Amino acid sequence: AQTVTQSQPEMSVQEAETVTLSCTYDTSENNYYLFWYKQPPSRQMILVIRQEAYKQQNATENRFSVNFQKAAKSFSLKISDSQLGDTAMYFCAFMKHEYGGSQGNLIFGKGTKLSVKP
Amino acid sequence: NAGVTQTPKFRILKIGQSMTLQCTQDMNHNYMYWYRQDPGMGLKLIYYSVGAGITDKGEVPNGYNVSRSTTEDFPLRLELAAPSQTSVYFCASSYSIPGEQINTIYFGEGSWLTVV
Repeated sequence: AQTVTQSQPEMSVQEAETVTLSCTYDTSENNYYLFWYKQPPSRQMILVIRQEAYKQQNATENRFSVNFQKAAKSFSLKISDSQLGDTAMYFCAFMKHEYGGSQGNLIFGKGTKLSVKP
Repeated sequence: NAGVTQTPKFRILKIGQSMTLQCTQDMNHNYMYWYRQDPGMGLKLIYYSVGAGITDKGEVPNGYNVSRSTTEDFPLRLELAAPSQTSVYFCASSYSIPGEQINTIYFGEGSWLTVV
């Protein structure tokens, strides 16, 4: 079974600074996907960034980037130039790639509550 | 741009009552999912569907039922509500071709359910 661990329950950062959220996972699969989702107080789940395990290049989306270390099973999220609107819960999630079968069973970590301070 | 729409957004149920959470998507996605999120936790998959007429259990299916009669709709039925089903429920959808790279999973805004 796959597990996802986020070891930082809460973090804070000053506006305009950089913060890194940690995520580790455990799996015996070779083909899988990793995601970071943002959940603001409204509770809506918003995809921040995704990474395919077969890609060595780290994914980047504007101010958001990941450090994907497949051998170490680590998938950290870096937020640059933090903004007040980045305040939210951040969830790391894992999904294995299945051939001809189910897709969409995201395995979530418990989340990291990020507060951006003015 | 409706996306994934869930109703109701809030509901209080008494123990033993039944109800249905409605979910509809207008993106012609073949895959649909129901997740629940307990306080302080990530989401867990309840049921999913890969297309109309096809459903399957996820990680935490006990106490729930689903149906998928159309591509757009994927209602979640709670039978004999219990306090342990107090949670926030998320419907989601995606377009995926089995065996190929998955596409983004889009979530609804969530339905808060309290069982007392």
